[in-house]
Amino acid sequence: TQLLKQSPQFLSIQEGENLTVYCNSSSVFSSLQWYRQEPGEGPVLLVTVVTGGEVKKLKRLTFQFGDARKDSSLHITAAQPGDTGLYLCAGDKTGANNLFFGTGTRLTVIP
Amino acid sequence: DTAVSQTPKYLVTQMGNDKSIKCEQNLGHDTMYWYKQDSKKFLKIMFSYNNKELIINETVPNRFSPKSPDKAHLNLHINSLELGDSAVYFCASSDRGQGLYGYTFGSGTRLTVV
Repeated sequence: TQLLKQSPQFLSIQEGENLTVYCNSSSVFSSLQWYRQEPGEGPVLLVTVVTGGEVKKLKRLTFQFGDARKDSSLHITAAQPGDTGLYLCAGDKTGANNLFFGTGTRLTVIP
Repeated sequence: DTAVSQTPKYLVTQMGNDKSIKCEQNLGHDTMYWYKQDSKKFLKIMFSYNNKELIINETVPNRFSPKSPDKAHLNLHINSLELGDSAVYFCASSDRGQGLYGYTFGSGTRLTVV
């Protein structure tokens, strides 16, 4: 069962463009995290959002947690080739013992 | 210092063999995990373990068994390897006792069963 569905699955854009990745679910999560994974490496945590409606900024990356805590988005401004990678959202459910990962978005930024 | 280290990085083995993957974390975290990443890059939980309990994903075949000699280590042993076991296996840790739910991952072990 894939609780978290990400869209788009693949995204290829030119350097300097803006983009948004979506992470949607019908389940409520106590927190939601975003990770970036590069080839041959494990996912690396970018941010954790906890409160419904919360917005966090990390340089050119803006993360938002939906008001109902069922969805999240990641917006990248002026994408750079270094942003290339697999972006994964992951939700933490109260009472669960592990994170549930999304289906992933593979981003390629072309110089 | 690598926070979560797993060995080996690559493992090629024949069907039917038994193999182990080792994982160590030096973060002092209280919970460790094993995830399997398939060819579509989907990460699926296999086990979570802290010093109190082992939680097993019911879909994991009993050929897979985690072994934790101490709080900083969670090794994965696989018996009678099958072709379908080929995947990348990730170890991770977190400090749930402190309410810190972010995971720190190892760099993965690419298992190829031939």
